[in-house]
Amino acid sequence: QKEVEQDPGPLSVPEGAIVSLNCTYSNSAFQYFMWYRQYSRKGPELLMYTYSSGNKEDGRFTAQVDKSSKYISLFIRDSQPSDSATYLCAMSPHAGNMLTFGGGTRLMVKP
Amino acid sequence: NAGVTQTPKFQVLKTGQSMTLQCAQDMNHNSMYWYRQDPGMGLRLIYYSASEGTTDKGEVPNGYNVSRLNKREFSLRLESAAPSQTSVYFCASRGLAGPRVEQFFGPGTRLTVL
Repeated sequence: QKEVEQDPGPLSVPEGAIVSLNCTYSNSAFQYFMWYRQYSRKGPELLMYTYSSGNKEDGRFTAQVDKSSKYISLFIRDSQPSDSATYLCAMSPHAGNMLTFGGGTRLMVKP
Repeated sequence: NAGVTQTPKFQVLKTGQSMTLQCAQDMNHNSMYWYRQDPGMGLRLIYYSASEGTTDKGEVPNGYNVSRLNKREFSLRLESAAPSQTSVYFCASRGLAGPRVEQFFGPGTRLTVL
């Protein structure tokens, strides 16, 4: 079993929908959680960064961490076709540790 | 401020040929990484360098070598390329961005080994 699990998708939604992307993990030591967005044929770019449990909001994006369930989520409100990409979760026990990545979920937002 | 740059962007090799992928960062980061990304496999760490002068194996190091030339540059070498090394290669650097430690990726090198 992988340390970080992520449904590969693809997840197809209509424009304007609320999108929920999720990761589960097994290592209870993880404290730093990140979401990366990767457009086709591009490198991953950091989208959201959270520490420990709770929510963090940035525009249309909300990152949520539930350490008790070992579950993190990324919500996208009012999804746009430009949000179509692969979303990777990543996490580490300490700020300086190497990141452990999920396999990525491919999202398609249809006009 | 270019972030993380990689060359070349594309490369086609024949089995047995060698090549070096170049990576440079201008963020004064200590840590640098090489990943490969394959369909269904996600990002897999090949080698990393926690600081100038040090390198360590990651999850899939076989068939690769690395050199941390200086703080800015971290190269990945394939001595004798194999079709199994057909992949997209990403370099990344990690360091302080204000109060946080963040990791930034380069644009990738698409390598095909025939």
